[in-house]
Amino acid sequence: GEDAEQSLFLSVREGDSSVINCTYTDSSSTYLYWYKQEPGAGLQLLTYIFSNMDMKQDQRLTVLLNKKDKHLSLRIADTQTGDSAIYFCAESKGGRGSTLGRLYFGRGTQLTVWP
Amino acid sequence: NAGVTQTPKFRVLKTGQSMTLLCAQDMNHEYMYWYRQDPGMGLRLIHYSVGEGTTAKGEVPDGYNVSRLKKQNFLLGLESAAPSQTSVYFCASSYYQRDRGTYEQYFGPGTRLTVT
Repeated sequence: GEDAEQSLFLSVREGDSSVINCTYTDSSSTYLYWYKQEPGAGLQLLTYIFSNMDMKQDQRLTVLLNKKDKHLSLRIADTQTGDSAIYFCAESKGGRGSTLGRLYFGRGTQLTVWP
Repeated sequence: NAGVTQTPKFRVLKTGQSMTLLCAQDMNHEYMYWYRQDPGMGLRLIHYSVGEGTTAKGEVPDGYNVSRLKKQNFLLGLESAAPSQTSVYFCASSYYQRDRGTYEQYFGPGTRLTVT
């Protein structure tokens, strides 16, 4: 099936802001998620946003959602070297509850933070 | 709580050999999933289960079988391994969060499989 699109790589300097973008595929996706994968580990949920919201802020993380363009972004303020990881966006296609928890992941963006 | 655990962590197989990957979760989650992760490909769903005794195919089920005989365990089998099955395999579990109306998937640490 069609995957959400993400840039594969992003490099930023420590202390700068990072913006990771995602174009998802299904306009009826009820929830959009951001997961983080550190080297050698599984994925961990960072944050999520409900489709009726435009923005969600959680400490250094800001999620923006543009439903018209099916565009999701994750902004990390004051990026630290510990933020270096792969970030995946994910969508729950087909509306609330219809996919029984199935998520559809983008290919991931490798964020590298330089000291 | 151990969360989601996977065994083994690493395995090397020869083409044609078989093996079973075990996933266990202690969170009483209904739903469990097996993914494979390949470079530049993201995560692709192999099989999933919505409850004990049930399984369903995901995006890339060929060459794999699964079983969910107990709620806490989800087994992934490779009957005749092929080099194309060299990958990192992740198991995940989730439940429906009624207060949020969403699911959160909890991932295991992964199994790195090489088929020569």
